[in-house]
Amino acid sequence: DAGVTQSPTHLIKTRGQQVTLRCSPKSGHDTVSWYQQALGQEPQFIFQYYEEEERQRGNFPDRFSGHQFPNYSSELNVNALLLGDSALYLCASSLPSGGPSYFGPGTRLLVL
Amino acid sequence: SQQGEEDPQALSIQEGENATMNCSYKTSINNLQWYRQNSGRGLVHLILIRSNEREKHSGRLRVTLDTSKKSSSLLITASRAADTASYFCATADGATNKLIFGTGTLLAVQP
Repeated sequence: DAGVTQSPTHLIKTRGQQVTLRCSPKSGHDTVSWYQQALGQEPQFIFQYYEEEERQRGNFPDRFSGHQFPNYSSELNVNALLLGDSALYLCASSLPSGGPSYFGPGTRLLVL
Repeated sequence: SQQGEEDPQALSIQEGENATMNCSYKTSINNLQWYRQNSGRGLVHLILIRSNEREKHSGRLRVTLDTSKKSSSLLITASRAADTASYFCATADGATNKLIFGTGTLLAVQP
């Protein structure tokens, strides 16, 4: 049973560039959430996708956008990167009825 | 933190000792979950306790929940060096699976 996978594992970008991160949920899960974790901080909720639509959004600017595909995989896009976007980006999958979330290993993004 | 605090921020114990971490939260919840994170990688789900439960056990883990005080505690018994990690509590409101995390406790278990 494959768990949550994310790609790439590491990424280095420069300010102003755009980045796309990818996530495949755990088998049987159709809800995908994205979190940003700055160094030494707790994860912060970015948004959640269910049935290919954004179901809920945290306090992040419109530069952060996402997509969910029919196979439930998801992408996180960040435009006009800022130095402060440097963080570990975590994807989590779950069932819409609740229960635990299962996290991927994360993508570490460094913006120079 | 959006949700609350965890204490202590850091805890150092010897192998075989028990470790207790506390979490406070601010809003009403459907459930509260505890996660472990090793070296800044992905989070691993440890245990989920629902708002109508007061105590739950899983192996060496014991979680309590006091909704009147909006607090929870995680007890790890007979700790091992492999338990060294950051531990986060997270609350879910039940409408979605959006998690709001506490500030975390860094646990170091000395061999």
